[in-house]
Amino acid sequence: DSGVTQTPKHLITATGQRVTLRCSPRSGDLSVYWYQQSLDQGLQFLIHYYNGEERAKGNILERFSAQQFPDLHSELNLSSLELGDSALYFCASSVGGRRVSTDTQYFGPGTRLTVL
Amino acid sequence: AQKITQTQPGMFVQEKEAVTLDCTYDTSDPSYGLFWYKQPSSGEMIFLIYQGSYDQQNATEGRYSLNFQKARKSANLVISASQLGDSAMYFCAMRDLIGGNEKLTFGTGTRLTIIP
Repeated sequence: DSGVTQTPKHLITATGQRVTLRCSPRSGDLSVYWYQQSLDQGLQFLIHYYNGEERAKGNILERFSAQQFPDLHSELNLSSLELGDSALYFCASSVGGRRVSTDTQYFGPGTRLTVL
Repeated sequence: AQKITQTQPGMFVQEKEAVTLDCTYDTSDPSYGLFWYKQPSSGEMIFLIYQGSYDQQNATEGRYSLNFQKARKSANLVISASQLGDSAMYFCAMRDLIGGNEKLTFGTGTRLTIIP
């Protein structure tokens, strides 16, 4: 158990709908990262928050948005869903703060999103 | 641009044998970290081992060790005395600070199957 929690574990929805994925980081971690894992794209970085502020964006679609709340949990919002958005969405957390390469990211169990 | 290459899509290894999973990387940042993660069929991403670019010795964590050859830009994972529970996908990842982005860049993974 990494200490990172994600809910829900599975989500099945229809095209055009909107969903929210939730993540709680490990105790003491200030950084939260979101990644998408799909068969054709592999593991792709979406977005990074540190202590409530957006720090970096990756290949995140405009239909997707995220935020980190004062209690440090984070939510990833996916709207106008398409079939191609079906994937495993991971949240990871790390201590953050110091920009060093040693900051290990610990992953949550993921949310498997299926868009029908 | 940062790049991670894993050239072995799949490997079959006899139980109790040692196995080496290959990983090469490319970055222009002198400070970087290399990580290995395990993804069992259940889907979670489990952190295994970390190697820093300035570390003088190869990292070890129990049955896992990292064969770090900086000049060749390789960071191979060695699993000693393999067990059936080692069957999983293994991902090599790199974190550098180019552009200030603290994301992990992942390889395409190697699917390891341990044969009884």
